[in-house]
Amino acid sequence: DGGITQSPKYLFRKEGQNVTLSCEQNLNHDAMYWYRQDPGQGLRLIYYSQIVNDFQKGDIAEGYSVSREKKESFPLTVTSAQKNPTAFYLCASSNPLRGTEAFFGQGTRLTVV
Amino acid sequence: EDQVTQSPEALRLQEGESSSLNCSYTVSGLRGLFWYRQDPGKGPEFLFTLYSAGEEKEKERLKATLTKKESFLHITAPKPEDSATYLCAVQVAGGTSYGKLTFGQGTILTVHP
Repeated sequence: DGGITQSPKYLFRKEGQNVTLSCEQNLNHDAMYWYRQDPGQGLRLIYYSQIVNDFQKGDIAEGYSVSREKKESFPLTVTSAQKNPTAFYLCASSNPLRGTEAFFGQGTRLTVV
Repeated sequence: EDQVTQSPEALRLQEGESSSLNCSYTVSGLRGLFWYRQDPGKGPEFLFTLYSAGEEKEKERLKATLTKKESFLHITAPKPEDSATYLCAVQVAGGTSYGKLTFGQGTILTVHP
């Protein structure tokens, strides 16, 4: 079954810690994206990647970092510089050149404790 | 700046009571408008893509339409299982956007039996 897998589903972070959220896809999509969702604010773009070893900042990249070493994988690190990291994080992938819609993973809920 | 506004923020319907959700957008150039359904704690699930004014798409009790300034998601004779948050997103035309989506804040639909 093709799809996007995010892990873990729930993640707890202590103040000052960096944490990494995993996102893997087997849809052979070129582009991958990370969005953040807060109540009442819809989804906001953190980072996106068009191809391996290349990525671009989205609207709210401060305090986050990403890597794209493989086509299938696009992990997101939430650093200690992110002042309000508690949110629902969603990973997506698509083939923009073919005009396909974006497919989403099931999300990771990050909570600062 | 690209903007997407959804209304109403929340909608409560009785089973069988038809209604519509609105998505107004302001973009430099529209490549596509997307509708997603999101259940609590889950990732968004793709419903429709609309590309040009006048286009319509249907799926079971849902019908999406598009004009040059807005899109409607019509729900005919809804059932309790249609309860979810409905998200609207736009994809902007242009080489640097590469499939990025700009989302509205969503409409929370509750259908009572």
